[in-house]
Order: sequence, then structure tokens, then C-alpha cells
Amino acid sequence: SYVLTQPPSVSVAPGKTARITCGGNNIGSKSVHWYQQKPGQAPVLVIYYDSDRPSGIPERFSGSNSGNTATLTISRVEAGDEADYYCQVWDSSSDPDYVFGTGTKVTVL
Amino acid sequence: EVQLVESGGGLIQPGGSLRLSCAASGFTVSSNYMSWVRQAPGKGLEWVSVIYSGGSTYYADSVKGRFTISRDNSKNTLYLQMNSLRAEDTAVYYCARAPLDYPEAFDIWGQGTMVTVSS
Repeated sequence: SYVLTQPPSVSVAPGKTARITCGGNNIGSKSVHWYQQKPGQAPVLVIYYDSDRPSGIPERFSGSNSGNTATLTISRVEAGDEADYYCQVWDSSSDPDYVFGTGTKVTVL
Repeated sequence: EVQLVESGGGLIQPGGSLRLSCAASGFTVSSNYMSWVRQAPGKGLEWVSVIYSGGSTYYADSVKGRFTISRDNSKNTLYLQMNSLRAEDTAVYYCARAPLDYPEAFDIWGQGTMVTVSS
């Protein structure tokens, strides 16, 4: 099955930019979606189809996808952005399969 | 308001069965792809099962043959019947909607219901 690899943790100072990577074989040929999950809460979709933002998600959240790496970028990081972030793709190579990345803990210093 | 509310979790012995429910409001379950996603304590997200709007169902290999996803259109509710439960099935179970506009992603999630498999 398809595997998505994320760094376990990313640390960033307030006001700076955080970049979270999601690696997968030729992931650029797939659509990547990103979720934010705060402790004790359900995940929230922050980016879909590589770079689209659902309504209500700040413009500070952006995404890109090319080659073997997709990236979620959080600009002007705020304390409230501290959370776990997961990438996800839909793999239809055999039976449909929603594949999640390993997750990245973002710590705001 | 568009929302999902899960129920039915609890403590169950290995080998036992449990049925989870997910009541939807503000949209029609049968018109969307609906999934169950679980998260073991301290671990990441794992997709479990999906039911398409047309009724087709698919499962992760880890639950195939043990879990069954279904829906009741009259109650606008999604279900997950879990049989032959194992310790490794212990997790928070979320129901999630994959909307018609972008069915590859999950835009609405429930608050989750905890399932603990232990003797």
C-alpha cells in the first residue's frame, strides 16, 4: 500500500514560517489534503487538493505538491497553530484507500 | 448546522462485538461518501472503511472480514458493526464526510467515540 512519510516534529518561533513535508512515491501525481488536530479534538481540514483552503481557514495556510514531496506552509505562525498535522491522499491503485501520513507535531517556541 | 455525532463506544472484551453510530445533521448521508477513521491512543490517523453514495463499501485490510459499514437513510445515520474485536482495535473512532465537491478528502468530522478492547 501507499506510504506517506512526515517528520515527527517541527519547531518554529511565533511570526516565522513553518514548513511540513509529506513524502511519497510520485506524490505529485496525486492530490494531497492536510488536517490539523489539536489535543483532544477531531481533525480539521486545512488544505485540500494540494493548495485549496476550505472556508474559514486563514490564508496563512498554503500547500504545494511536486515530485515526491508535498508541503504544508504556515506563515506568520501563531501560538494557536500548535497542533499535529497530517497529510492524506486517496489511493485508488486497487481497492479505494484513504492513506494518512505519519503526522507532524508543530511546536511554537 | 452541518455536524456528525458518534455514539456506541465503550469497553468490550476481546472477541466481542460493538456497533457504532454516527448521526448526521445538515446534510444527507446517502448523498456523500462516508468513512470511519480511527486513532489509537497516542498514534496517528488510520482510515477504516468507506461507503459510497451508490452503496459500495470498502475496508482497510486490518478490519476486512470483521467490520461492516452501513447506513440507514431514513435516520440519516452511519454505522460501523465491529465483530471479533482485538486489543489493537482500541482507538477513538471518528466518522467523517468526504463531500461531493472533493470526495478524496474529509471536510466534516464527528467528535469521536472511544472503543477500548480489554479483558
